[in-house]
Amino acid sequence: EVQLVESGGGLVRPGGSLRLSCAASGFTFTNAWMTWVRQAPGKGLEWVGLIKTKTDGETTDYAAPVKGRFTISRDDSQNTLYLEMNSLKTEDSAVYYCSGNVLAYMDVWGEGTTVTVSS
Amino acid sequence: SYELTQPPSVSVSPGQTARITCSGDALPKKYAYWFQQKSGQAPVLVIYEDNKRPSGIPERFSGSSSGTMATLTISGAQVDDESDYYCYSTDSSGNLRVFGGGTKLTVL
Repeated sequence: EVQLVESGGGLVRPGGSLRLSCAASGFTFTNAWMTWVRQAPGKGLEWVGLIKTKTDGETTDYAAPVKGRFTISRDDSQNTLYLEMNSLKTEDSAVYYCSGNVLAYMDVWGEGTTVTVSS
Repeated sequence: SYELTQPPSVSVSPGQTARITCSGDALPKKYAYWFQQKSGQAPVLVIYEDNKRPSGIPERFSGSSSGTMATLTISGAQVDDESDYYCYSTDSSGNLRVFGGGTKLTVL
């Protein structure tokens, strides 16, 4: 079964850090571009950033609000995607989803993990 | 920055055709993607590369794109299609990806 499972969410104080993980199974992770998307409570979807495959240079792109604070990485040996979040702000509070390009662009999604930034 | 503009809401009766639009300056050169999100659930891809339908998505879902506007069409909308729908694309450079603001589809 093709599956993505996020973990690592929780409560963190403003200015703090958190690392999210996304464990992939059921498909060839090394061949998939991976994306992080977030959704603040009651709001729409917001693209956070993506990482390409090693074959495509493992390059990353980020949305302006997180550039310089968030880092996306991948460990193909562990079939795991990461999102390192630093200097967190209250406006970073959201459900964070990982998504993968398996048969089509962003056709597989995890169920999300919740990040709450509050003092 | 780059923006994709969607109507906040669309309402149709069961069996009618629902059309949800998405406008963006780069759409003449960039693909549009459409995601369905039911309340409390993760998004689901329903259309990719303007008009392709992933396996398992009903045939009543179709997509098109012309000029600066992409359109998601649901022919014979069902009550079960009530969801938020988001378009997604990239800016002209291809580096910045964005979602539209989302459209709440009501079928009743």
